[in-house]
Amino acid sequence: IAGITQAPTSQILAAGRRMTLRCTQDMRHNAMYWYRQDLGLGLRLIHYSNTAGTTGKGEVPDGYSVSRANTDDFPLTLASAVPSQTSVYFCASSDSGDRGEQFFGPGTRLTVL
Amino acid sequence: GQNIDQPTEMTATEGAIVQINCTYQTSGFNGLFWYQQHAGEAPTFLSYNVLDGLEEKGRFSSFLSRSKGYSYLLLKELQMKDSASYLCAVRDGDYKLSFGAGTTVTVRA
Repeated sequence: IAGITQAPTSQILAAGRRMTLRCTQDMRHNAMYWYRQDLGLGLRLIHYSNTAGTTGKGEVPDGYSVSRANTDDFPLTLASAVPSQTSVYFCASSDSGDRGEQFFGPGTRLTVL
Repeated sequence: GQNIDQPTEMTATEGAIVQINCTYQTSGFNGLFWYQQHAGEAPTFLSYNVLDGLEEKGRFSSFLSRSKGYSYLLLKELQMKDSASYLCAVRDGDYKLSFGAGTTVTVRA
């Protein structure tokens, strides 16, 4: 693994189903983030984690949950998917330095029908 | 929270210069970032400003005025591969980023 990976690449899901999007990084970054990107709205923060064992809510957390059991993994779960959760989901990570730019995974395109 | 505004679209000719403006209103400021995003791909880091002034990196430069809540990204000697969306993002005191909706730049031959 080099950098940050996400799985699946794309998924079509029936409304009401449970779905977990996976995110793994090998850069030993402390902080990780989940965003959704919708046309005309830009990237919006769903949940974040500043370090393993801690999580926080972003701008649009409703309907989503996360966990951070270790440094490398940060899964995002939709407990009961709804059509409004159709979006492209990006996971990102950053270190704790002054600049601390975020590195993004390739994204997961999710369609909820 | 953050309110970040940038133009939706810009078009320029190959070899020309384009300036993308970004204005923001924040409840806390801890740096401003510019990202580039090609269609269907992930955003990639371009530049970072935390102090007032100009940061230059090759063909790309970024400027910040904290008192005016204003930044711009300057793209010089435009190339076709520069056609992409450019995202302005402000980091708050909790190190979370808020993004503008992005500016789609189209470079024409």
